[in-house]
Amino acid sequence: EIILTQSPGTLSLSPGERATLSCRASQTISNNYLAWYQQKPGQAPRLLVYGASSRAPGIPDRFSGRGSGTDFTLTITRLVPEDFAVYYCQHYGNSPPFSFGQGTRLDIK
Amino acid sequence: QVQLVQSGGGLVKTGGSLRLSCAASGFTFSDYFMSWIRQAPGQGLEWISYISSSGGTRYYADSVKGRFTISRDNAKNSLYLQMNSLRAEDTAVYYCGRHPSGIDYWGQGALVTVSS
Repeated sequence: EIILTQSPGTLSLSPGERATLSCRASQTISNNYLAWYQQKPGQAPRLLVYGASSRAPGIPDRFSGRGSGTDFTLTITRLVPEDFAVYYCQHYGNSPPFSFGQGTRLDIK
Repeated sequence: QVQLVQSGGGLVKTGGSLRLSCAASGFTFSDYFMSWIRQAPGQGLEWISYISSSGGTRYYADSVKGRFTISRDNAKNSLYLQMNSLRAEDTAVYYCGRHPSGIDYWGQGALVTVSS
């Protein structure tokens, strides 16, 4: 079973700043089957990135994912107020369980 | 447009059963893998089950294995989750999701509350 550990748990930043969120896997994720999601209170999650670095349709280009193997990063440049939310990573593909990380809360400073 | 509309949540007693449904529209349902994910109150996301496009392959998280059954009816464009032997720790919002590369579309969620 692949365990995903996200850091930091909470990130406090101001609008206009850059956010860097980390997701580390306990073993190599094959084919970079790693996704990132954004969730706001009372809403279902929204897919941001799949395949570690491919933006989902309609996602602004200030969101970018990178990484491979066991270390992955989601970067949000030039934060805007609607970006403050909880972010999750998830691995998917051939090896269930398709676990999620515990989440990073992005708060307004 | 792609829509996943869930039904079937509610209050159930410990040890009881409940069936969740997820009606799909706006895409060729039979082409897609599907998953169920849940979120306990104030907690993170937990993937719990997955089914292949034909229904021939099914996976479960250890937390629900042997108690929950995922199924689909491609003729009715519907996904199901049969939940038996429910426990207090199964209390959560349950989401269905379309699962091609990551989960790209999500249902609106259905609250399941398990109480004695």
